[in-house]
Amino acid sequence: GDSVTQMEGPVTLSEEAFLTINCTYTATGYPSLFWYVQYPGEGLQLLLKATKADDKGSNKGFEATYRKETTSFHLEKGSVQVSDSAVYFCALSDQGGGNKLTFGTGTQLKVEL
Amino acid sequence: NAGVTQTPKFQVLKTGQSMTLQCAQDMNHNSMYWYRQDPGMGLRLIYYSASEGTTDKGEVPNGYNVSRLNKREFSLRLESAAPSQTSVYFCASSEAGTGSPDTQYFGPGTRLTVL
Repeated sequence: GDSVTQMEGPVTLSEEAFLTINCTYTATGYPSLFWYVQYPGEGLQLLLKATKADDKGSNKGFEATYRKETTSFHLEKGSVQVSDSAVYFCALSDQGGGNKLTFGTGTQLKVEL
Repeated sequence: NAGVTQTPKFQVLKTGQSMTLQCAQDMNHNSMYWYRQDPGMGLRLIYYSASEGTTDKGEVPNGYNVSRLNKREFSLRLESAAPSQTSVYFCASSEAGTGSPDTQYFGPGTRLTVL
């Protein structure tokens, strides 16, 4: 079945540091890929997505590129802020019915001054 | 727009008790979902409803039932709660019906503890 593997956290960075959170996937066919973010005490919200190979999703300074050859969708940001502290989930959407999402386990990011 | 709303926010049950978690969305979305979130396991799909009048099992359906009451509302019922069902439950909705990858919008969650 489909699966998503993320790097374990927590990841602790200083403000303005460069961020990479690794995500790899296993899926049949050509899934769409997503990054969701969960701020403390809240539900998940979409950060960015890519629907086909070589697409780059971007939002709020975050970027991720759909790499079919390495089955990866790594999240990057050039300069993190304290307000980016949250849990980040990589997910894929199957191509069958129902638009179901398969999530990774989440990576907690802590950004310190 | 309130988006996706869930009630209650917190609940404590004793083993064997029953309860229903309520979810409603005001975005006229076709599809709705119930997930549970457990430490170190991400979110796992319990049940989903691709469109009004249909429901299907997800990855972890045992011990749960759902009802798609109308296009807006999708409830999750625990008939006989067990400690293993202690979790945070999230409802989500998306515009797509079937076969189309689309953004899911999440509610704020219900934190359930079963003693």
